[in-house]
Amino acid sequence: AQSVTQPDIHITVSEGASLELRCNYSYGATPYLFWYVQSPGQGLQLLLKYFSGDTLVQGIKGFEAEFKRSQSSFNLRKPSVHWSDAAEYFCAVGAGGNEKLTFGTGTRLTIIP
Amino acid sequence: DAEITQSPRHKITETGRQVTLACHQTWNHNNMFWYRQDLGHGLRLIHYSYGVQDTNKGEVSDGYSVSRSNTEDLPLTLESAASSQTSVYFCASGSYNEQFFGPGTRLTVL
Repeated sequence: AQSVTQPDIHITVSEGASLELRCNYSYGATPYLFWYVQSPGQGLQLLLKYFSGDTLVQGIKGFEAEFKRSQSSFNLRKPSVHWSDAAEYFCAVGAGGNEKLTFGTGTRLTIIP
Repeated sequence: DAEITQSPRHKITETGRQVTLACHQTWNHNNMFWYRQDLGHGLRLIHYSYGVQDTNKGEVSDGYSVSRSNTEDLPLTLESAASSQTSVYFCASGSYNEQFFGPGTRLTVL
């Protein structure tokens, strides 16, 4: 069965600092991996996705993620966070955007001035 | 612009009542999904559909049903609402490249 683990429930970083959110997955075939962001009271917005090819993928809002098959990981990074990045971040795995997704439990990001 | 909408955005109901949450998309996607979001669980799949007249159970389908009579709509019905179904419900539709989410419906069952 497929699963996603986000080991950090809550992370606090200072504005301007770098960020890394961890995601580990278990999937029986070639994984399609996604990172979504959810602002308070809002729906989910796609940050980036990995389907194949270059293992370092770029997304919106200055985010990037690196797929490491050997570690079953797809960690999200940003070199310098902004106060507007405060939100909940979800990692998900599936067989494509048109297939059912399995989500992690999310990481809540707090930004301090 | 194409979009996916949900109604109502907020709903309070009583235990035992039947409740239907609406989901409408104008992306013309064949594939649609219902998830529920609960603290500590992330999003979990309730039901999904790959096209008209097709419905499938997800991870947490007990107490829920869906029907798909056209491409645009996938209503979610709670046959007899229970307090354990208090949650935020998200509808989504997907192309190969991306799954788009609605704004969510916050349901409270008293």
